[in-house]
This record gives sequence, C-alpha cells and structure tokens, in this order.
Amino acid sequence: SAVISQKPSRDICQRGTSLTIQCQVDSQVTMMFWYRQQPGQSLTLIATANQGSEATYESGFVIDKFPISRPNLTFSTLTVSNLSPEDSSIYLCSVPSSLAGGTDTQYFGPGTRLTVL
Amino acid sequence: AQSVTQLGSHVSVSEGALVLLRCNYSSSVPPYLFWYVQYPNQGLQLLLKYTTGATLVKGINGFEAEFKKSETSFHLTKPSAHMSDAAEYFCAVSDREGGSEKLVFGKGTKLTVNP
Repeated sequence: SAVISQKPSRDICQRGTSLTIQCQVDSQVTMMFWYRQQPGQSLTLIATANQGSEATYESGFVIDKFPISRPNLTFSTLTVSNLSPEDSSIYLCSVPSSLAGGTDTQYFGPGTRLTVL
Repeated sequence: AQSVTQLGSHVSVSEGALVLLRCNYSSSVPPYLFWYVQYPNQGLQLLLKYTTGATLVKGINGFEAEFKKSETSFHLTKPSAHMSDAAEYFCAVSDREGGSEKLVFGKGTKLTVNP
C-alpha cells in the first residue's frame, strides 16, 4: 500500500484567508483525489488531480475556490480559498493502489483538519 | 449514478456481541465495494474490499463482509465486538459506471462498543 502524508495535520484560519494543503505519496501515481469530510458527514469528492493536466472538479466545486496543483507524480496541493466557517472540514487526499490507476483500491492520507474562525 | 446507503447512523453493541453494519448499493455495472474505518481524529483505513470472485471477503481485525447481488448488499460483520472497534465505518462503491476511480461513500455508521 502507498504511504501518504499530508501537511498540515490541522490548522485554524481566519475568515477570508486561504490554506494550502500538501499531499505527498511515497510512490508515483497517475491520479490523486481530494475529498472533503464536513463535521459529522461522509466524504465528498472535490476533484481528481492528474499529473500534466487540469484537475477535474465534481459538481458543486470550482477551481477558483479549490485550486489544485499536481507538479509531479508524487505530490499535489489543494488550496481552499477565501475561507468561511462553512469550509471547516477534514480534507483528505487519496491515491489508487498502483501507478497506472485503473485498480480497485484507494488509500487515504491522514487528513488535514481545518477550522475557520 | 451509483450510490450507497448505510442503514443506521449509530450502532451500539456490547463487548463480545455480534457487530452488523448494513450497506446497500445501487449500480448498473458489477460493483467494486469497500469498507473503510475511521478512528477518532484519524484518516480512513481500508478494512476490506470486494471486486470479483468469492463473495465472502475477510478483512483486517476480524471483520468480514458478504456481497449479495440479489439483495444489492454488502453488510459488514464481526462475530465478537472489541472495545477497540469503536469507530466510524464507511461503505463505498467505486464509480465504475463513470469509468473513473473515484469512490462514492455512504454517510457512515458510528459504532459504539459498551463494556
């Protein structure tokens, strides 16, 4: 299984600012996913980040609010912009279990717990 | 579109009792199904998965799940609950309809184990 790390593990931010979350994987992967888990809720996919192309956003999520970078096959960042208290959530990145994707398992990072005041 | 329904947002059992967490899915193609566990203040850990083959799959920590196509179910069981099993459990289906790798999650079931 892949080893995934995220930074920061948690943060408290002021309304109107932005937070950039980093996701590092110990192996090369084609796709990386970013999920949001709002308090007491399940996980919702924000976007799929492919190396060398624009991220693909799910309905209800837009690039201006959640810009994503994917500079190489082991790293991605998610920025949550213009923060409001409604953005308080856990943000998790995940990767498929093989380089080529098309596989049946995703592994998750430990998550970043964001609190917006 | 694929979807997952977990019956019961909270389940409470006594230590040593049977754990049964229910999951039903909707999919127009043969599904890939997963159970993940989330301990407090931690990320998600894969418990077990079903893709093809044997419909009874065994996972970590003594958990198992059975894929029943006729019932569109993938319920998670453990014969004897342990205090350390207290966590939130998520059932998920892979978005094979859409041809992507993303997962569609149920709303989760919080398991409480009483001494």
